[in-house]
Amino acid sequence: AQSVTQPDIHITVSEGASLELRCNYSYGATPYLFWYVQSPGQGLQLLLKYFSGDTLVQGIKGFEAEFKRSQSSFNLRKPSVHWSDAAEYFCAVVRGSQGNLIFGKGTKLSVKP
Amino acid sequence: EAGVTQFPSHSVIEKGQTVTLRCDPISGHDNLYWYRRVMGKEIKFLLHFVKESKQDESGMPNNRFLAERTGGTYSTLKVQPAELEDSGVYFCASSPSGKLISYEQYFGPGTRLTVT
Repeated sequence: AQSVTQPDIHITVSEGASLELRCNYSYGATPYLFWYVQSPGQGLQLLLKYFSGDTLVQGIKGFEAEFKRSQSSFNLRKPSVHWSDAAEYFCAVVRGSQGNLIFGKGTKLSVKP
Repeated sequence: EAGVTQFPSHSVIEKGQTVTLRCDPISGHDNLYWYRRVMGKEIKFLLHFVKESKQDESGMPNNRFLAERTGGTYSTLKVQPAELEDSGVYFCASSPSGKLISYEQYFGPGTRLTVT
């Protein structure tokens, strides 16, 4: 069965530091992968997606993610974190041909001044 | 363009009562999804509409949950009677038709349901 694992429940980084949030997926074929962010009081906003092609994808707000098939990973990165990046981040994969998403448990990011 | 809206934003009800959640998708989006996040757990799929038809309701937890999408526009999710374990945040998402673009789902802010 398909699944998504986000091993870090909570991460704290200093403002200006680099960030990497981990995501591992389990899926037999080429997955369609997403990262979403939920800021307090807001809905989930799509940061970036991977369908095929270039394995390094750029998203909004300066985020990028790299698809590594050999490691079944789709880690999210940002070179310099801003205080406004404090939020919860979700990795997700499309389930088969059905279209609905399978989510990881989320990683809550705190940013220290 | 207006985003996905959900009403109410927060609902507190007693066990055994009925609650109806509403979702208005982005205009023109044929696909509408309901998800739920129980505290401490991952966001889980409930069901998927294509226009007014239920495409997949494999995630619905039991027959106390009833979803409708009249006329292929807004959708309602009714819980009757509510139980304590139904507490959580209910998200609605919509997406347009199309092979890959349909996978890009736009989420509403969610309805936080608390059953006491």
